[in-house]
Amino acid sequence: GQNIDQPTEMTATEGAIVQINCTYQTSGFNGLFWYQQHAGEAPTFLSYNVLDGLEEKGRFSSFLSRSKGYSYLLLKELQMKDSASYLCAPSAGNMLTFGGGTRLMVKP
Amino acid sequence: DTEVTQTPKHLVMGMTNKKSLKCEQHMGHRAMYWYKQKAKKPPELMFVYSYEKLSINESVPSRFSPECPNSSLLNLHLHALQPEDSALYLCASSQEWPGPYEQYFGPGTRLTVT
Repeated sequence: GQNIDQPTEMTATEGAIVQINCTYQTSGFNGLFWYQQHAGEAPTFLSYNVLDGLEEKGRFSSFLSRSKGYSYLLLKELQMKDSASYLCAPSAGNMLTFGGGTRLMVKP
Repeated sequence: DTEVTQTPKHLVMGMTNKKSLKCEQHMGHRAMYWYKQKAKKPPELMFVYSYEKLSINESVPSRFSPECPNSSLLNLHLHALQPEDSALYLCASSQEWPGPYEQYFGPGTRLTVT
């Protein structure tokens, strides 16, 4: 099985930077996804890390440390529309398992 | 076209009804998935189809019956459901399975069992 841990809720201010952490314990690990899900909507793909290090994509960056079982999603220049849940999803044994999600609230 | 469509958007059914959820993608993906998502919880995998063959069944009760008529379509047949089956049902597709491929999700069907 898998054990995925991420904070339940976070609050940040518009224009700021926020880091959402995720730790996982899994066997057969072959990469980690981050998805964004707005309330009542489908998850949408944000990033995928398979090697250690930082992947940058516009305002969003994702980091992975395989040896530590650790990843984070970094959101810069926060906008109100970034208020959503962010799901950490390690892929192991070719199966994707979603963490509980971090609900991010961006305030003016 | 990177869209996965699902119908209906909302469904209310009684415990004795039979209904079906439909999912369609035209991205040429060969893997399709059904997930169940309860409020404020992450999606939980139910089924995986690869090349139109059922590859994974995550111990889902038989009152849920998946079907993959062709590579673009995925159905979920529902029969004799329980109120606790009320949830958002998400369909997704990816280029292939197995493999850590990005999954594209449809908007979901919000199911209420009365």
